[in-house]
Amino acid sequence: ETTLTQSPAFMSATPGDKVNISCKASQDIDDDMNWYQQKPGEAAIFIIQEATTLVPGIPPRFSGSGYGTDFILTINNIESEDAAYYFCLQHDNFPWTFGQGTKVEIK
Amino acid sequence: EVQLLESGGGLVQPGGSLRLSCAASGFTFSTDAMSWVRQAPGKGLEWVSAISGTGGSTYYADSVKGRFTISRDNSKNTLYLQMNSLRAEDTAIYYCAKFRAPQLRGGFDYWGQGTLVTVSS
Repeated sequence: ETTLTQSPAFMSATPGDKVNISCKASQDIDDDMNWYQQKPGEAAIFIIQEATTLVPGIPPRFSGSGYGTDFILTINNIESEDAAYYFCLQHDNFPWTFGQGTKVEIK
Repeated sequence: EVQLLESGGGLVQPGGSLRLSCAASGFTFSTDAMSWVRQAPGKGLEWVSAISGTGGSTYYADSVKGRFTISRDNSKNTLYLQMNSLRAEDTAIYYCAKFRAPQLRGGFDYWGQGTLVTVSS
């Protein structure tokens, strides 16, 4: 089973900041990494597919990078509406596993 | 617009049973594999179970194997999770999610809002 270590668990940002969230896999998963955003009481939204590809309709301030074991979700010029819980998912091997999540607060 | 709406959560005693439903709309339900994922209080997400579009193939996490059964009714565009022998550690929000690609590949592209299951005496 692939373990995903996501960090930080919590971060506080100011509008306009650049935010990086890390997800490290315990084994090589190629680019089989997705990122999601979830707000309380709402359905999770799919934001990055295959580690680096922005899902259509997602603002371009979101981007993803990485391959193999190290992945990063970046939010440039963060906005107040980006306050949410973010999590990563690996779909390279069974069982599918998730990072522990990052709660992003906007000051 | 794709919509996934879970229902059936609630409070149940340890050892009890519960059946969750997920009503799907906005896509061709019968062609897409589906899954259940849960999140216990204060914990990360955990994949629970998955089922192919036809329902002919099912998959389970070790933590629920033998206790939970996933199924689907393609005529009703509905996904189910029958949960038996429930334990306190099954307490979680349960989400249904749709796979992006055939053969359960690509991860998930759409999620529901979740339904809360609480196992407690």
